[in-house]
Amino acid sequence: SQKIEQNSEALNIQEGKTATLTCNYTNYSPAYLQWYRQDPGRGPVFLLLIRENEKEKRKERLKVTFDTTLKQSLFHITASQPADSATYLCALDNFNKFYFGSGTKLNVKP
Amino acid sequence: DVKVTQSSRYLVKRTGEKVFLECVQDMDHENMFWYRQDPGLGLRLIYFSYDVKMKEKGDIPEGYSVSREKKERFSLILESASTNQTSMYLCASSRGSDGANEKLFFGSGTQLSVL
Repeated sequence: SQKIEQNSEALNIQEGKTATLTCNYTNYSPAYLQWYRQDPGRGPVFLLLIRENEKEKRKERLKVTFDTTLKQSLFHITASQPADSATYLCALDNFNKFYFGSGTKLNVKP
Repeated sequence: DVKVTQSSRYLVKRTGEKVFLECVQDMDHENMFWYRQDPGLGLRLIYFSYDVKMKEKGDIPEGYSVSREKKERFSLILESASTNQTSMYLCASSRGSDGANEKLFFGSGTQLSVL
């Protein structure tokens, strides 16, 4: 079965630094990978999507990379702010069904 | 903006009760999903529907059923609630025709407690 791993430990960083979150997967080759943000008590919100033939994707302070050889995606938030504190989830598509990692909680301290 | 509305924010039920969780989306999306989210386990797919009256099992369908009689509404049914079904339940929808641009829109979730 599909296995998607994200660092379960919280990531604590100082405001202004770059946060880097990791998503590793096994057992299949997705056509694309997505990242979502989830705030406490709310549903996840879509942030970015990267296709298998794209190495890197950017949106404002966000950057995602996708290495299909390593089966890994990295999610970067540059110039991080306390408002970026949340749980970030990666998701993989398998024939229109989406499978999620357990998420990494990011804490940005002022 | 797409809106996915779940009927209840918090729900407390007793063991053995039949429980209905309702979800409505307002953007004419083809696909709808039910997930449950538990600490350390992430989101796990319960059921998926790609059209009215069509459904597919996800990873953990045992103890659940679903109903999709209208395109905008997808219901999750717990036939006989048990304490291990205490969880956050999240409904989501997607267009179904966006190919590699497909993305999910989630409701705010229903926190179900089974006592």
